[in-house]
Amino acid sequence: GAGVSQTPSNKVTEKGKYVELRCDPISGHTALYWYRQSLGQGPEFLIYFQGTGAADDSGLPNDRFFAVRPEGSVSTLKIQRTERGDSAVYLCASSSNLGTEAFFGQGTRLTVV
Amino acid sequence: GNSVTQMEGPVTLSEEAFLTINCTYTATGYPSLFWYVQYPGEGLQLLLKATKADDKGSNKGFEATYRKETTSFHLEKGSVQVSDSAVYFCALASGAGSYQLTFGKGTKLSVIP
Repeated sequence: GAGVSQTPSNKVTEKGKYVELRCDPISGHTALYWYRQSLGQGPEFLIYFQGTGAADDSGLPNDRFFAVRPEGSVSTLKIQRTERGDSAVYLCASSSNLGTEAFFGQGTRLTVV
Repeated sequence: GNSVTQMEGPVTLSEEAFLTINCTYTATGYPSLFWYVQYPGEGLQLLLKATKADDKGSNKGFEATYRKETTSFHLEKGSVQVSDSAVYFCALASGAGSYQLTFGKGTKLSVIP
C-alpha cells in the first residue's frame, strides 16, 4: 500500500475485554515497530519485529500485551483483560531494513471504559 | 537510560516569525537524533535527522545541529508559515541497529496569520 495502515482508527472497549489492533506495513518492509502514545506524552517503544520474529519485546508493559506477525507482513497487537490505563494511541511503523527511516501509521486510539 | 527533554508547549507564533524548539538528550554512546512532525490528522513523519556530532539536518526550511558538548538538537526555522502548525517531537536512537526511538513529549506549534 501507499503507507502504513492501522485499523481500527478508534476502538472503545470495556475494562476486562480483549482487543486486537492491526497494522498493515508498507509492502516489502521487513522491520515493523509498535509504539504507545499516552495523552501528553511522546510515543514509547513496545516491540520490534524483523520478519516474522519479535526481535525485541522489551517495551511491552506486562504479559497482557502480545504481538504477532505470522507471515512477516501484517502484525496484530493483542491486549488481554484491558485496563483503563491501557487507553492510549497505539502507533505502528515500518522500515525497509534495520536502522532505516521508519514510516508511521496514523495510529489506533484505544479507550478503555 | 535514554531520555529526551524538549520545551513545553504550546507555542504560538505569527507567520514569518523565527522558531526555536529546544531539545536536550541523555544517552549512552553516540545516538542518532531526529525531529518528527505530526500534522493534524496525519501520522508521525520524519522531518530531519543527524547521525553524528556537528552534523546539521535540514528539511523544508527547518534545521537542527547535533551538539554533543551541550547534548542538544534544537529545531529552528527562520520564517514559519501557517502550514507549519503541527506537533514536533525530538527523538533519539541508540544501541545496536538504532531501531528503538526514544521520544520527547512533543511541542505543539500554532502559527497564526
